[in-house]
Amino acid sequence: GENVEQHPSTLSVQEGDSAVIKCTYSDSASNYFPWYKQELGKRPQLIIDIRSNVGEKKDQRIAVTLNKTAKHFSLHITETQPEDSAVYFCAAPAEAGTALIFGKGTTLSVSS
Amino acid sequence: SQTIHQWPATLVQPVGSPLSLECTVEGTSNPNLYWYRQAAGRGLQLLFYSVGIGQISSEVPQNLSASRPQDRQFILSSKKLLLSDSGFYLCAWNKGQGGYGYTFGSGTRLTVV
Repeated sequence: GENVEQHPSTLSVQEGDSAVIKCTYSDSASNYFPWYKQELGKRPQLIIDIRSNVGEKKDQRIAVTLNKTAKHFSLHITETQPEDSAVYFCAAPAEAGTALIFGKGTTLSVSS
Repeated sequence: SQTIHQWPATLVQPVGSPLSLECTVEGTSNPNLYWYRQAAGRGLQLLFYSVGIGQISSEVPQNLSASRPQDRQFILSSKKLLLSDSGFYLCAWNKGQGGYGYTFGSGTRLTVV
């Protein structure tokens, strides 16, 4: 089945810096890669996603890149702000493409 | 618009007691439904998913079970809770065969004492 590895587990940056979180997946048939943001005590919320027919997608300060050959995808956050502090999860579809398998999460801390 | 409801928000249960968590979705039909568990400071572990009434797929063998008695209702149960069942339980839904992001419910924080 699908296996999703996420790095780093923690990331501390200064306000205004960029942050990059990387995930690798094992199933070459996977075709959908979402990223979720979870603030303390709250539900995860979808922030951006990418499909396998696209190499990059941007939404304001957030971007996701996908390298299908290497089977990895990354979340890029530019001009980080304190409100970006949260746990970020990547995910990929499990075998048969129904359920999502999540990485273990990255705790991002943005200090002002 | 679609909404997902999950309750209760918090629950403290003694070891060995039963459990029933409920999740309902409004504003859509035939959703895919999911139960995840998140231990303190940990990732999201897939427990069960369902693509239709009465269809349940289990990802992790344990003392939990799930049922889908109606199209938009998903229930997580246990006959006897263990300490290790403590965690943040999240219900989620989406449409289609993969390729669509989830919307999560607000979660149930379960503490087994």
